[in-house]
Amino acid sequence: DAKTTQPNSMESNEEEPVHLPCNHSTISGTDYIHWYRQLPSQGPEYVIHGLTSNVNNRMASLAIAEDRKSSTLILHRATLRDAAVYYCIPTGSSNTGKLIFGQGTTLQVKP
Amino acid sequence: GAGVSQSPSNKVTEKGKDVELRCDPISGHTALYWYRQSLGQGLEFLIYFQGNSAPDKSGLPSDRFSAERTGGSVSTLTIQRTQQEDSAVYLCASSAGTAQETQYFGPGTRLLVL
Repeated sequence: DAKTTQPNSMESNEEEPVHLPCNHSTISGTDYIHWYRQLPSQGPEYVIHGLTSNVNNRMASLAIAEDRKSSTLILHRATLRDAAVYYCIPTGSSNTGKLIFGQGTTLQVKP
Repeated sequence: GAGVSQSPSNKVTEKGKDVELRCDPISGHTALYWYRQSLGQGLEFLIYFQGNSAPDKSGLPSDRFSAERTGGSVSTLTIQRTQQEDSAVYLCASSAGTAQETQYFGPGTRLLVL
């Protein structure tokens, strides 16, 4: 399984951008990088995923390093509702389907 | 469309009793997963069904745990002779099939074993 490293926690002020980093130096060449988040007392929810190119959707942006050994989830304007645990997970041959959740990054958003 | 649903939302049982947890995946999703999250702990994979293939049971913690998926749709996770350490939130997810596909999670079943 590809190993990931994320900071345990981060803080942000409301309406400011947040950059959540993830190192995945052992990722396979065909693995996607998925980001999920888990809001308090809820199941995980999909945020964004990518393979090589940077990706944007209505929730966030994903910047993937050229060597694919790291990626950064970008929340352009953090809201209080974005307070959650964020997980980056390589998916594909590294996990054969099952998601391997690490400790993730706990994001606190201050009003 | 409807998301993944799980029932019951909460379950309180006595040590030694059997429990069944149900998961209804998103219609058309061929892959179904069970995970659990103990209090203050991370998410732990339990079992994975993909189409008609033999399930990946590598995450089941003991032989008291079993799961089945009938007709390629609904799944039931059964815990026999429950123990207090089985108390956790049990989460089900489904996906369109391949390993790279996004998984969509249900709200979970909170199990408390007294």
